[in-house]
Amino acid sequence: DVKVTQSSRYLVKRTGEKVFLECVQDMDHENMFWYRQDPGLGLRLIYFSYDVKMKEKGDIPEGYSVSREKKERFSLILESASTNQTSMYLCASSRDRVNQPQHFGDGTRLSIL
Amino acid sequence: QQQVKQSPQSLIVQKGGISIINCAYENTAFDYFPWYQQFPGKGPALLIAIRPDVSEKKEGRFTISFNKSAKQFSLHIMDSQPGDSATYFCAASRSGTASKLTFGTGTRLQVTL
Repeated sequence: DVKVTQSSRYLVKRTGEKVFLECVQDMDHENMFWYRQDPGLGLRLIYFSYDVKMKEKGDIPEGYSVSREKKERFSLILESASTNQTSMYLCASSRDRVNQPQHFGDGTRLSIL
Repeated sequence: QQQVKQSPQSLIVQKGGISIINCAYENTAFDYFPWYQQFPGKGPALLIAIRPDVSEKKEGRFTISFNKSAKQFSLHIMDSQPGDSATYFCAASRSGTASKLTFGTGTRLQVTL
């Protein structure tokens, strides 16, 4: 079974802090994704990566960056956290073949105070 | 710009009834339409998916109906059960985009006894 593990279920940080969200997958998937989930807005793609050290902006990249130094690990970085980044963050991975399902972690609920 | 519109936002169905969730898309280049199911505290998981070369796909009690000319697709849950209570997301992607999905805003389904 594919497992996508997000390092924290809950995280509380202060405005202006640099925040790191970590995600690890154990199925040797090429693609990895970061989404944020907000009520009434669904899942919105922040960044994705199709290979080590490669990254592409999603629909809402502003205020975020990512790092993928190893194939199994994809990190989301909030450079200077703001209250409007309080949200549920979901990581996903998939094989790099046409129409492959994305496998999601259980999310990190991040609160910025 | 919301490329996949989903309705209704919430739905209450009696046990044994039919649950219907609708989605409409704008980008005619989309060629893969999955539905994801999310239980509280969990990440979304792939439920069923369809490609536009067929008009219907059925897996157990779950059916996707697809109308290419109207750019609409829907999820039907027959004989709805309390265990089906979850949030459902439709999504769309096009080939060659590293499985990048555009999600609808979600429908919270509650199946009552």
